Amino acid sequence: NAGVMQNPRHLVRRRGQEARLRCSPMKGHSHVYWYRQLPEEGLKFMVYLQKENIIDESGMPKERFSAEFPKEGPSILRIQQVVRGDSAAYFCASSPPVVASGISGELFFGEGSRLTVL
Amino acid sequence: AQKVTQAQTEISVVEKEDVTLDCVYETRDTTYYLFWYKQPPSGELVFLIRRNSFDEQNEISGRYSWNFQKSTSSFNFTITASQVVDSAVYFCALSEAGPISSGSARQLTFGSGTQLTVLP
Repeated sequence: NAGVMQNPRHLVRRRGQEARLRCSPMKGHSHVYWYRQLPEEGLKFMVYLQKENIIDESGMPKERFSAEFPKEGPSILRIQQVVRGDSAAYFCASSPPVVASGISGELFFGEGSRLTVL
Repeated sequence: AQKVTQAQTEISVVEKEDVTLDCVYETRDTTYYLFWYKQPPSGELVFLIRRNSFDEQNEISGRYSWNFQKSTSSFNFTITASQVVDSAVYFCALSEAGPISSGSARQLTFGSGTQLTVLP
């Protein structure tokens, strides 16, 4: 049973280029979350998606960042015109559907994608 | 607004010593979840424990134990007889338990982490 798969594990981009990070949730999971970890800091929530639907993007920078979780295929976090401050580890997490009012609260994290902007 | 504070930025201990990592949280909710994650040098996040706000019973799992004190809003983590392999960054995190449709119900608010180094 594969866990949350993220790729690429490492990505190097020059300023102004685009970065695309992919996340395949665990089998049976329909909820995906993206978190960013700046160097020597904790993880910060960016966005929460279900299939074809953004539920909460309150943590996403207003410009250059977008996320999607299409009906088929992985979730994609896209950063346009990257700047040095975008260098960070980007973690994806998934969770199963929630039944009734129960909140499992447990997220399963991938191994992260480390973006370096030169 | 939620907040998680891990006041200890770095801790160094010698192997076999016990070590406690502190976590203090703030939330306005009466129902919430607390977590600890381990991030070894390889970078992945390893889930250690989840505790809901109604369960104040302390938990022990092997060399790991957790002390949840609702009165002081703390959820401390103790490693007994530490080993070199315990060296990692440890994160405490909090999530609310809100409506299903609310993204905030599933967000984790992380502390800034404690770097634990266990020396041989």
